[in-house]
Amino acid sequence: QKEVEQDPGPLSVPEGAIVSLNCTYSNSAFQYFMWYRQYSRKGPELLMYTYSSGNKEDGRFTAQVDKSSKYISLFIRDSQPSDSATYLCASRRGQNFVFGPGTRLSVLP
Amino acid sequence: DTGVSQNPRHKITKRGQNVTFRCDPISEHNRLYWYRQTLGQGPEFLTYFQNEAQLEKSRLLSDRFSAERPKGSFSTLEIQRTEQGDSAMYLCASSSLQGSSPLHFGNGTRLTVT
Repeated sequence: QKEVEQDPGPLSVPEGAIVSLNCTYSNSAFQYFMWYRQYSRKGPELLMYTYSSGNKEDGRFTAQVDKSSKYISLFIRDSQPSDSATYLCASRRGQNFVFGPGTRLSVLP
Repeated sequence: DTGVSQNPRHKITKRGQNVTFRCDPISEHNRLYWYRQTLGQGPEFLTYFQNEAQLEKSRLLSDRFSAERPKGSFSTLEIQRTEQGDSAMYLCASSSLQGSSPLHFGNGTRLTVT
């Protein structure tokens, strides 16, 4: 079992839709949680970084962490074609960052 | 802050050749990481430095791989006697010493071994 799991998709939604991306992790020692966005042939770009259970909002993006169920979500409101990318969730334990395989998202105009 | 810079962006080499990649981290970041990413997968940890000290290496890092960060600034990753299975994107990331600092990635070096 991988330490961080994601549904690889692809996920296709129409422009303006609310997108929900989900991730689970298996190690209770993970303390910090991140979402990265990766465009084709580019490096991952940090979107959200959170420590505690609950919600963190930044513009159209909301990250949600539930440590009791080891579940991480990213919500994108009013999705745009420019949001089409692969979304990676990651968890951190000390200096060890572990990434999920990513979910490929397409937002159709 | 110019971000993490990696060179070259793309390297094509023949099996058995040696290749070297360079990473320049964000200037005030003390920690530097190397990851490998293959198609459809997330980045996999290879090694990390704090200043010039290499503090951790993954079992993925075979003896053909070596990384250095001689003055605690830029880093190089060398692969000797490349194999077709080494074809991947090699990503460099850096972070500050602040306990909760996240990783900031460069755009990677794409290696193709023919």
